[in-house]
Amino acid sequence: EAGVVQSPRYKIIEKKQPVAFWCNPISGHNTLYWYLQNLGQGPELLIRYENEEAVDDSQLPKDRFSAERLKGVDSTLKIQPAELGDSAVYLCASSRRGEDTQYFGPGTRLTVL
Amino acid sequence: QQQVKQSPQSLIVQKGGISIINCAYENTAFDYFPWYQQFPGKGPALLIAIRPDVSEKKEGRFTISFNKSAKQFSLHIMDSQPGDSATYFCAASQTQGGSEKLVFGKGTKLTVNP
Repeated sequence: EAGVVQSPRYKIIEKKQPVAFWCNPISGHNTLYWYLQNLGQGPELLIRYENEEAVDDSQLPKDRFSAERLKGVDSTLKIQPAELGDSAVYLCASSRRGEDTQYFGPGTRLTVL
Repeated sequence: QQQVKQSPQSLIVQKGGISIINCAYENTAFDYFPWYQQFPGKGPALLIAIRPDVSEKKEGRFTISFNKSAKQFSLHIMDSQPGDSATYFCAASQTQGGSEKLVFGKGTKLTVNP
């Protein structure tokens, strides 16, 4: 079974530029999560989807961050415009409905210059 | 407010020794406590998890001890190996009637010397 796929793995951009991250969850997993992981810290939830519905986006900075999960499979997380403080690893995870285990992708390391 | 406090921040153990990482939580509604292992450049991977109806769970060299009254749980790695060198995160969530959001500790960087 393929794991959670994320792309790109690394991204370097200038501040104020837009950036987008893509995630393909494990097949059959209804729930998809986006996490932010700062250096030396644990992951922090940004948004959780159940199928195509965002059921928890309370931690998503909506002034610059947006996410979508069209058709309830792949998801895209966007930042526009990026700020220096957005430099971090963005992790995607997925889980099967009714199960607690979350499976994480390798993440996208974003560097904002 | 940090809901899950993890210690120590870093840990150095000799091969064959026991590694112990501790976590404390505040929210008594938490009912699921996983430990994740993360290698550099990789995403976290579930190592072992426990629910509060048991006080201990063992899988191979890894054991979770859970103390509900003290609101604490710990990970013990027996016969630690250099391949165990990684960052370990404890986490907690409320799976019944809650947001199911995983709240992570800040992590412990484990180094096992050969």
